[in-house]
Amino acid sequence: DAGVIQSPRHEVTEMGQEVTLRCKPISGHNSLFWYRQTMMRGLELLIYFNNNVPIDDSGMPEDRFSAKMPNASFSTLKIQPSEPRDSAVYFCASSTSGSLTGELFFGEGSRLTVL
Amino acid sequence: TQLLEQSPQFLSIQEGENLTVYCNSSSVFSSLQWYRQEPGEGPVLLVTVVTGGEVKKLKRLTFQFGDARKDSSLHITAAQPGDTGLYLCAANFGNEKLTFGTGTRLTIIP
Repeated sequence: DAGVIQSPRHEVTEMGQEVTLRCKPISGHNSLFWYRQTMMRGLELLIYFNNNVPIDDSGMPEDRFSAKMPNASFSTLKIQPSEPRDSAVYFCASSTSGSLTGELFFGEGSRLTVL
Repeated sequence: TQLLEQSPQFLSIQEGENLTVYCNSSSVFSSLQWYRQEPGEGPVLLVTVVTGGEVKKLKRLTFQFGDARKDSSLHITAAQPGDTGLYLCAANFGNEKLTFGTGTRLTIIP
């Protein structure tokens, strides 16, 4: 069975450019999460959706970040304009649970480098 | 903001040795999960504990949830190179947010 699929796996861009990260959750999962991982701050929840509706975006660092989930099988995380401090690994995860206590299934991550 | 502290931050031991890593908070957990993350991959769930004092075993791994529900430990017996990875605890503090600890990076030397 296919797991959570993220693209691109690696992205190198210059400061000021727009970055779009994509995620396909596991079929049948109704919750989707975007996390960011850095050495300094660990794994941080940015936003999560339940049944395609954003539930909590309090972890989104600033207005340069936005996330959408137009349907149950696709989500995007966009950074515009990107800055060097946005460099991190961005993970998408999905779950069958409506809350955050169920098992999270993570994708392999998108490693972003902003020069 | 609830903080989840893991210790040690780094641990490197010889194959065959035993080890324990810890996850602590000043706040009470509703539930706690342990994940393992290998390089280039996302975290994978190992176990969920929900009851204070609960002990769960997964082959050579023993997970314990503190009686006061503010701490947890992971004990590995006879460590093997395949145990190498980043071990993350993740807690729910009753507000429907899953907070991850900063992790323990474990290296098992053959």
